[in-house]
Amino acid sequence: AQKVTQAQTEISVVEKEDVTLDCVYETRDTTYYLFWYKQPPSGELVFLIRRNSFDEQNEISGRYSWNFQKSTSSFNFTITASQVVDSAVYFCALSRQVGNFNKFYFGSGTKLNVKP
Amino acid sequence: DTAVSQTPKYLVTQMGNDKSIKCEQNLGHDTMYWYKQDSKKFLKIMFSYNNKELIINETVPNRFSPKSPDKAHLNLHINSLELGDSAVYFCASGAPGQGTGNTIYFGEGSWLTVV
Repeated sequence: AQKVTQAQTEISVVEKEDVTLDCVYETRDTTYYLFWYKQPPSGELVFLIRRNSFDEQNEISGRYSWNFQKSTSSFNFTITASQVVDSAVYFCALSRQVGNFNKFYFGSGTKLNVKP
Repeated sequence: DTAVSQTPKYLVTQMGNDKSIKCEQNLGHDTMYWYKQDSKKFLKIMFSYNNKELIINETVPNRFSPKSPDKAHLNLHINSLELGDSAVYFCASGAPGQGTGNTIYFGEGSWLTVV
């Protein structure tokens, strides 16, 4: 069975602090994709990143970085020098192929509060 | 232009009513989805359509009926609304079927409140 766990329900930091959001997943598939989505207070769900199971290279995009480790089944997300605009709920997700489409499994989300 | 757009954004209605939420995507995707997000923020898949054909129906009550007139549209009709239907409903679409790499892109959500 597939499962995505985000153990941190809510995190509060002060602006400019670094923060890491944890994501642990379970799957027996060898081919799968991992995602992070952001849901700001306005409510929309914004795609941030996708990683496939064969690519363990870490990725950096501005203040955002992602650390994918198959050995620990983790796909963690770090925000460097956090800003108030980073306040949102962040969802980690796993996608696997079922027939000819993708089935997504979402974690329960981590709410990040960045205080000025 | 909004890639995935859904209307209405807010809907307040009484128990027992029937309502519809419309969704349109201009990304050229073959697959569209409806997700329900409850008050605890948990996202749950409801339906998925691929090129107008239903491919996932995740144990959703019969009161919920999706309709896909073409691959760019997936509407959600809800009959006999109940208090427990209050939630945020997200429409999403995915790139043409090419395996698990397909990212799904969400609409802005429709906030349904049943009173």
